[in-house]
Amino acid sequence: AQSVSQHNHHVILSEAASLELGCNYSYGGTVNLFWYVQYPGQHLQLLLKYFSGDPLVKGIKGFEAEFIKSKFSFNLRKPSVQWSDTAEYFCAVNGNTDKLIFGTGTRLQVFP
Amino acid sequence: DVKVTQSSRYLVKRTGEKVFLECVQDMDHENMFWYRQDPGLGLRLIYFSYDVKMKEKGDIPEGYSVSREKKERFSLILESASTNQTSMYLCASSPRLAGADTQYFGPGTRLTVL
Repeated sequence: AQSVSQHNHHVILSEAASLELGCNYSYGGTVNLFWYVQYPGQHLQLLLKYFSGDPLVKGIKGFEAEFIKSKFSFNLRKPSVQWSDTAEYFCAVNGNTDKLIFGTGTRLQVFP
Repeated sequence: DVKVTQSSRYLVKRTGEKVFLECVQDMDHENMFWYRQDPGLGLRLIYFSYDVKMKEKGDIPEGYSVSREKKERFSLILESASTNQTSMYLCASSPRLAGADTQYFGPGTRLTVL
């Protein structure tokens, strides 16, 4: 069965610090990978996705993620976080179905 | 823009009540999903539907049922609400493609069962 692990449950950073959130998945076949974000009081929305091609994917608001197939990883990065990045971040994966499997989420707090 | 709406943002019910959560999407998507979101557990799939009148169980269907009579509407039903069903419920929709595409989420319904 597919599963997704997010190693960091709660991350606290100061503004301008660099961010990397870990995501590992278990599935042996072709995967599609997603990062979703939920800002306080808002809908869950797509941050970026990888289906194929360049393993370095750029998303909204300066976020990027790198798909490393050999490590079954899809880590999210941002070189310099802002207070407005405070949110909960979810990694998700699917194999050959329309269903997504979500990780347990990482709560990011950025302090000015 | 895709819009997914849910009938209530907040709902308070008593144990044993029958609860209906409604979800409507306006993008003619084939797929619709119901999740519950709990702290530390992420999103867990309750039920999903590929088409009108079709439904499949997700990972945690016990205590829930669903109805999809029209393509744009997907209802989640708690036949007899219990306190352990207190949670945030999220509806989502997506087009049916070869492999998953982006799911679009509604604002959520925070249900409290007393």
